[in-house]
Order: sequence, then C-alpha cells, then structure tokens
Amino acid sequence: DVKVTQSSRYLVKRTGEKVFLECVQDMDHENMFWYRQDPGLGLRLIYFSYDVKMKEKGDIPEGYSVSREKKERFSLILESASTNQTSMYLCASSINRGMNTEAFFGQGTRLTVV
Amino acid sequence: KQEVTQIPAALSVPEGENLVLNCSFTDSAIYNLQWFRQDPGKGLTSLLLIQSSQREQTSGRLNASLDKSSGRSTLYIAASQPGDSATYLCAVIKGGSEKLVFGKGTKLTVNP
Repeated sequence: DVKVTQSSRYLVKRTGEKVFLECVQDMDHENMFWYRQDPGLGLRLIYFSYDVKMKEKGDIPEGYSVSREKKERFSLILESASTNQTSMYLCASSINRGMNTEAFFGQGTRLTVV
Repeated sequence: KQEVTQIPAALSVPEGENLVLNCSFTDSAIYNLQWFRQDPGKGLTSLLLIQSSQREQTSGRLNASLDKSSGRSTLYIAASQPGDSATYLCAVIKGGSEKLVFGKGTKLTVNP
C-alpha cells in the first residue's frame, strides 16, 4: 500500500516563527503536493512538485515556500507564521506515468498559529 | 478555470438506504476523476479513480460513473451503513496537468 506520512498531526506555533511541515512517501512517486483545507473554502493547492528540485506555485503560494531535495520528501515552509495560516495542511503524492494518476494523501497536520 | 461542484453539501439517510452523491465540473477536458472519503480531522482516503476513457468503476458497495460530455460524475453507495458516515470529495485532473481540483464535498450521515 502507498504510504504518505506527515511528520506531525498537531502543531502549535507562535506568530513570526519559521515553521517546517514534512511529508514523506514510500512509493517512488514523482508528483507531490501541499494543500490546505479550510471550512467553506475546501482544499486549495499551495505548491506542487513533479520532480526533485522542481516546483510550481499553486493557487495560494503567498507566505509559503517548499523544498524537495530527495524524491521521497517534500517540505512546506512557512517563512514567518501568521494567524491566518492556521489550517489543516494535507500532503499528497501521485505517479507521473501513464493513465493511473491516483493520488494518495497523508493524515494531515492541524497547525494552529497563536 | 476548472470549477468542481458537489450537491448537496450535506445528506442524512437511514441505514440500509441506497444513495447517490453528485459531482459536476465545468471543463470537460479532464484527464481523470477521483473520489475520496474524509473522516473528521483526518486525511483523505482514495475510494475510486475513473480514467477519462472509462465510464465507471466499482469497489465493493461503491460504484462511480463518469460522463465527460455532460461534466458529471456520481458515486453510488449501496446498502448504506453508519460506518459510511464521512465527507465525500471528488477531484478532477485536467488534461496536461497532474494537479487535482476539488469540490467542497458532501457530508454524509447514515443513521442507525
């Protein structure tokens, strides 16, 4: 089974802190994604990576950056956390070959910025 | 811009009922469509992937159909159980992109 693991289920950080959210997948997937999920707004794409060191901005990249130094690991960085970044963060991965683009998600990280 | 809509936003049914969840999308040039389940406070669990060349997929009591020309997909759940209570989300992948665009989900409650 594909496994996508996020490093923390719950995080509480202070305003202005630099925050790292880590995601690891074990199925050699090329694509990795970071989404945030908010009530009433649904899931919105923050960043997408289709290969090591490659990244694309999603719909809401402001205030975030990402790092992908190894194929299995995709990190989301909040440079200076703000209260409006309190949210559920979801990491996903998918294969980049053929028609089977099934995406798999991690368990989510509930981030609270105080 | 691709938009995905799921109606209704919430649905409550008695145990044992068969039910249909709806998903519509504005741009028919999709690559694939995927249905997910999300339990409160948890991540998304993949249920079914329908490739653009397929019209339906089945897994156990679940059957998903896809009509690209009309921009619609349905998720049929047979003989619903309380354990089916969750939020169900659909997502489309536009041709030429691996990114998923999500609907806001249907929250399903199955009452014993």
